[in-house]
Amino acid sequence: NAGVTQTPKFQVLKTGQSMTLQCAQDMNHEYMSWYRQDPGMGLRLIHYSVGAGITDQGEVPNGYNVSRSTTEDFPLRLLSAAPSQTSVYFCASSYSSGGRGTGELFFGEGSRLTVL
Amino acid sequence: AQSVAQPEDQVNVAEGNPLTVKCTYSVSGNPYLFWYVQYPNRGLQFLLKYITGDNLVKGSYGFEAEFNKSQTSFHLKKPSALVSDSALYFCAVRDSRGKFQFGAGTQVVVTP
Repeated sequence: NAGVTQTPKFQVLKTGQSMTLQCAQDMNHEYMSWYRQDPGMGLRLIHYSVGAGITDQGEVPNGYNVSRSTTEDFPLRLLSAAPSQTSVYFCASSYSSGGRGTGELFFGEGSRLTVL
Repeated sequence: AQSVAQPEDQVNVAEGNPLTVKCTYSVSGNPYLFWYVQYPNRGLQFLLKYITGDNLVKGSYGFEAEFNKSQTSFHLKKPSALVSDSALYFCAVRDSRGKFQFGAGTQVVVTP
């Protein structure tokens, strides 16, 4: 029972490089989201999706792109990495509708990204 | 817009003493409230939630939380803290689309 799987767990980038953080869930959750966690700032929502083909911005979307072509996958793309994007990134998913909409978020183990 | 506030950056408690972690919220409509715990270098783990019903909600690892509508609070409690409860705790509120808003987190330190 895999739950939410994030890869890679660790990544070091140089400024200006691009990369994709992968996220997959096997619980048939409609809702998927990406957060970044920085010391003293809690979890900040980057992007989220309420179903395949639907994405929306969170509170800190700049510099990140997402797509949701399938229910299972929700990759996060860094277009041109900057040192300010050094952070720990978490993917999370939940049910969001159809009588199951009060479900809790399930989190991946996180991806630690360092941009030099 | 919904929001969550955790007024304490850190809570210190001796093992065996009661533990309380505070959370207040602001939402339009009915609140869906959650508590999560994060151990070092791990993802967040669900502890408990309030959706409707009894104001006292029981969750994992002996934790409970009290929903107070008049005070717009959802404080996390444990009658007798353990050293292993030392972790980062997050309160969260969820809207009707499934979007979660998290508080800044409260570091709990339980000393032997």
